[in-house]
Amino acid sequence: QVQLQESGPGLVKPSQTLSLTCTVSGGSISSGDSYWSWIRQHPGKGLEWIGYIYYSGSTYYNPSLKSRATISVDTSKNQFSLKLSSVTAADTAVYYCGRDTLTSFDIWGQGTMVTVSS
Amino acid sequence: DIQMTQSPSSLSASVGDRVTITCRASQSISNFLNWYQQKPGKAPKVLIYAVSSLQSGVPSRFSGSGSGTDFTLTISSLQPEDFATYYCQQSYSTPRTFGGGTKVEIK
Repeated sequence: QVQLQESGPGLVKPSQTLSLTCTVSGGSISSGDSYWSWIRQHPGKGLEWIGYIYYSGSTYYNPSLKSRATISVDTSKNQFSLKLSSVTAADTAVYYCGRDTLTSFDIWGQGTMVTVSS
Repeated sequence: DIQMTQSPSSLSASVGDRVTITCRASQSISNFLNWYQQKPGKAPKVLIYAVSSLQSGVPSRFSGSGSGTDFTLTISSLQPEDFATYYCQQSYSTPRTFGGGTKVEIK
């Protein structure tokens, strides 16, 4: 079955760019039946959708991120990635990747904690 | 953006209790409403999609209902493993949005 796994630095300095990668296993990111999302959860808080990408490269972002987010896909590696620029302490969160079937987020990665601190 | 409002934000219940959580959307979302369960330190897990369809492997004590703007998640007989936080989420439009969560605690 399809599984997702996030990877990337757990600590990022303020004003720098947060970079995470989600590796898809057990299935192809190019299957065409899903979008691939990033979702975050601030400590002790609710869930915030960041954006998604289709295997073709088309994207949609949450306007709340004020154009700081960029999601890309590498079909050859079966991966998609998130870059979040100009981070502040407010970007400290657990970041999840997830599969959006356009009905629900049916598969999630385990999540990775990212702390923004100098 | 479509705002999703859950109530209550927390509740205390005993094993065997019937529990109901409500979710209201700021505009009609047809049947594009999902429910997730999240346990501490774990990723959310989809329980119910499209208002009332049970995700594979989810116990039948979980059920969902509603349409338009008002939706309900019901746990017919609360089990020890059901103590968790529950979120509703709309997939009607982007940006995808979630409710604030309902924490179900042991009474």
